[in-house]
Amino acid sequence: LAKTTQPISMDSYEGQEVNITCSHNNIATNDYITWYQQFPSQGPRFIIQGYKTKVTNEVASLFIPADRKSSTLSLPRVSLSDTAVYYCLVGEKAGSARQLTFGSGTQLTVLP
Amino acid sequence: GAVVSQHPSRVICKSGTSVKIECRSLDFQATTMFWYRQFPKQSLMLMATSNEGSKATYEQGVEKDKFLINHASLTLSTLTVTSAHPEDSSFYICSAEGLAGAVAKNIQYFGAGTRLSVL
Repeated sequence: LAKTTQPISMDSYEGQEVNITCSHNNIATNDYITWYQQFPSQGPRFIIQGYKTKVTNEVASLFIPADRKSSTLSLPRVSLSDTAVYYCLVGEKAGSARQLTFGSGTQLTVLP
Repeated sequence: GAVVSQHPSRVICKSGTSVKIECRSLDFQATTMFWYRQFPKQSLMLMATSNEGSKATYEQGVEKDKFLINHASLTLSTLTVTSAHPEDSSFYICSAEGLAGAVAKNIQYFGAGTRLSVL
């Protein structure tokens, strides 16, 4: 299983760009890197997914270096409502079963 | 699109009773559904993976006779916590993964979760 490591917590101020890095040293060739956001007492919400290089959507960017052993989620101009836990997930498929591990996540706190 | 509905959102029950939680993919067919458990201030722990029409694959340490999973159709999976006890109190979350082309590949869509409190 590809294990992920993220910072436990981060603080930021409104309007700043936030970058959260996830390490996944033993990522497999077929693995995708997916980031989720979770608010208290809610299910995680998909943010962005990538395989290599850079991916951008309307809410975030995902940077993946050539060796794919890490990835960085970039949130532009955060607001108070971005306070949440962010999870990096690396997926691995084994036959018909899918092996997934959620890491500890990063608690992002956006301050006014 | 890609909406997963989970019901109930909260349940309080007496010790010894069984509780059923439903997970439905509303606008896509879910080839695979996942059940997670989350304790306060902790990450999600995968309990089991189920594919429509076949037996669920349970993670190590998860009792299959305690947590019964049924995935009878491509849009519905249920988790039954049998003879619930206070230590089973937790936040249970389901997710679904659909067919490539219908929804994005390799992405899980999560339900809102079920808060189970066993008295």
